[in-house]
Amino acid sequence: DGGITQSPKYLFRKEGQNVTLSCEQNLNHDAMYWYRQDPGQGLRLIYYSQIVNDFQKGDIAEGYSVSREKKESFPLTVTSAQKNPTAFYLCASSADPWPQHFGDGTRLSIL
Amino acid sequence: AQSVTQPDIHITVSEGASLELRCNYSYGATPYLFWYVQSPGQGLQLLLKYFSGDTLVQGIKGFEAEFKRSQSSFNLRKPSVHWSDAAEYFCAVGESAGNMLTFGGGTRLMVKP
Repeated sequence: DGGITQSPKYLFRKEGQNVTLSCEQNLNHDAMYWYRQDPGQGLRLIYYSQIVNDFQKGDIAEGYSVSREKKESFPLTVTSAQKNPTAFYLCASSADPWPQHFGDGTRLSIL
Repeated sequence: AQSVTQPDIHITVSEGASLELRCNYSYGATPYLFWYVQSPGQGLQLLLKYFSGDTLVQGIKGFEAEFKRSQSSFNLRKPSVHWSDAAEYFCAVGESAGNMLTFGGGTRLMVKP
């Protein structure tokens, strides 16, 4: 079945550490997105990529980095510069660009 | 800049009762409108979408939504709620010039037996 796979489901970060969240899709979609979800705040866009080797900052890109070396993969790195990284992270992809299809998320917590 | 408002943070309805979740948006052009549902700890599932044409759109799981341009609204409705509908619901608007989605803050639905 086609879909979006996010891993791991749960992730813990120590102070000063960078961590990378994985997002893989086999839907053959060109565009991919990363969102951050905090309670009561809906989803906020971190980064998006419309094509391989190109990506743009979203509303809250500070403290995050991405790469898009392959069409099916869009990993997100939460750097030590992100001072409040505890959140639920959702990856999405789309073809036209609508609608966006979502993975099951990664919950990141601080140790 | 576009924005989406879901005025109700929590809603509780009895099983079998009708449901309406409100969504108001601010956007200058014709919007692309979406409703998503999220179960706890899960990703978002698309319920329905409006791009153009008939202003009453049907979605999955018996949901429907009506686009009212004059009221800048896209309310989600279901005639009879089931216990399995308990979840969080998000309204979103997409801008036509790109592929940015703006989400509302969500409405958490609880269903009483």
